[in-house]
Amino acid sequence: NAGVTQTPKFQVLKTGQSMTLQCAQDMNHNSMYWYRQDPGMGLRLIYYSASEGTTDKGEVPNGYNVSRLNKREFSLRLESAAPSQTSVYFCASSEEGYSLNEKLFFGSGTQLSVL
Amino acid sequence: AQSVTQPDIHITVSEGASLELRCNYSYGATPYLFWYVQSPGQGLQLLLKYFSGDTLVQGIKGFEAEFKRSQSSFNLRKPSVHWSDAAEYFCAVGPLQGFQKLVFGTGTRLLVSP
Repeated sequence: NAGVTQTPKFQVLKTGQSMTLQCAQDMNHNSMYWYRQDPGMGLRLIYYSASEGTTDKGEVPNGYNVSRLNKREFSLRLESAAPSQTSVYFCASSEEGYSLNEKLFFGSGTQLSVL
Repeated sequence: AQSVTQPDIHITVSEGASLELRCNYSYGATPYLFWYVQSPGQGLQLLLKYFSGDTLVQGIKGFEAEFKRSQSSFNLRKPSVHWSDAAEYFCAVGPLQGFQKLVFGTGTRLLVSP
């Protein structure tokens, strides 16, 4: 079972460059999420998609855009990368997002460095 | 605003010894509480969760956690630590109703010594 797949695993960008982080899940989950993980700050929610066709801002959305391409795929785009966006990015999915029996399934992360 | 505090950044435990990781939360209503574990180079995996009922919950890999409302705590315990438990542990809080936007703590890195 692939679960949640993120690409790429590593990326180095120069300030001002753009890039898209890809995420796909094969569990037929309705809800998908993008988190960033920074030392001493835990995981912070960037954007989420409760269901196909909807996206909403999380705690730290500035500088990012997202697209819920279909039920499987949820991409995160940096239009003009900044050093402050150096982080590890995690995509996650859950079956519904509203149920008390929910749990998040995480991808293995993308290590992004912006120089 | 909801928040989660994990006061210990690093903890070192000898293999076979008991473990307790601390988690305190601030939440305006009855919370939904989680512990996740992150092994090196991996995403997070759910260990256990609590939202009602018995305040002592059992999880995977022999972990348990106790919810103490009076102390706003949800500490994670394991009676005997194995070397494979070395990882980073995250406490998280979410709402009982509505969409599950979790707030995570800053994590505690567990080191296991021989």
